[in-house]
Amino acid sequence: EAGVTQFPSHSVIEKGQTVTLRCDPISGHDNLYWYRRVMGKEIKFLLHFVKESKQDESGMPNNRFLAERTGGTYSTLKVQPAELEDSGVYFCASSQPGGYETQYFGPGTRLLVL
Amino acid sequence: ILNVEQSPQSLHVQEGDSTNFTCSFPSSNFYALHWYRWETAKSPEALFVMTLNGDEKKKGRISATLNTKEGYSYLYIKGSQPEDSATYLCAPPYSGGGADGLTFGKGTHLIIQP
Repeated sequence: EAGVTQFPSHSVIEKGQTVTLRCDPISGHDNLYWYRRVMGKEIKFLLHFVKESKQDESGMPNNRFLAERTGGTYSTLKVQPAELEDSGVYFCASSQPGGYETQYFGPGTRLLVL
Repeated sequence: ILNVEQSPQSLHVQEGDSTNFTCSFPSSNFYALHWYRWETAKSPEALFVMTLNGDEKKKGRISATLNTKEGYSYLYIKGSQPEDSATYLCAPPYSGGGADGLTFGKGTHLIIQP
């Protein structure tokens, strides 16, 4: 069974540009999560989808971040316009329906904003 | 936002020795605790999801215990091997709900010395 996949693996952009990250969860996983790790800090929760609905987006840093999950399958996270402090590793995770299920993480997208 | 603390921050252990480290979390409104093993540049690997006070789970040479009344969990590694070198993260759900996003601690960075 394929794990969580993320694209691209790395992205280097200039301040002010737009970047879109993609996450494909494990098939059948209704729950999809985005996390971010800024260098030297702990991994921080950004938001949680249940199917196509945003269950919790309280961790999103500001309105320059927009996440979507049309059709309840893959998800995108767009940063527009990117700022220097957005640099970090963006992880996606997915889990089966229900509570207290294991969240399986993807390999992450390493974003560098110059 | 939950306050999760892990100690020690880093740990050097001789190959073959056993070791353990701690995750502390608020004991009120406990729902679950996730443990992950994370090698930088890779995705966090799920180890355990613990929900019940007194839980003890085991995966190979790694085991974990849970005390929800006092708010801590221990992770044990028996007979450490070089491949155990990684950062070990614990994480309760962000808002306390079962399928919620996770609040990660800073982790315990474990280095196994041959």
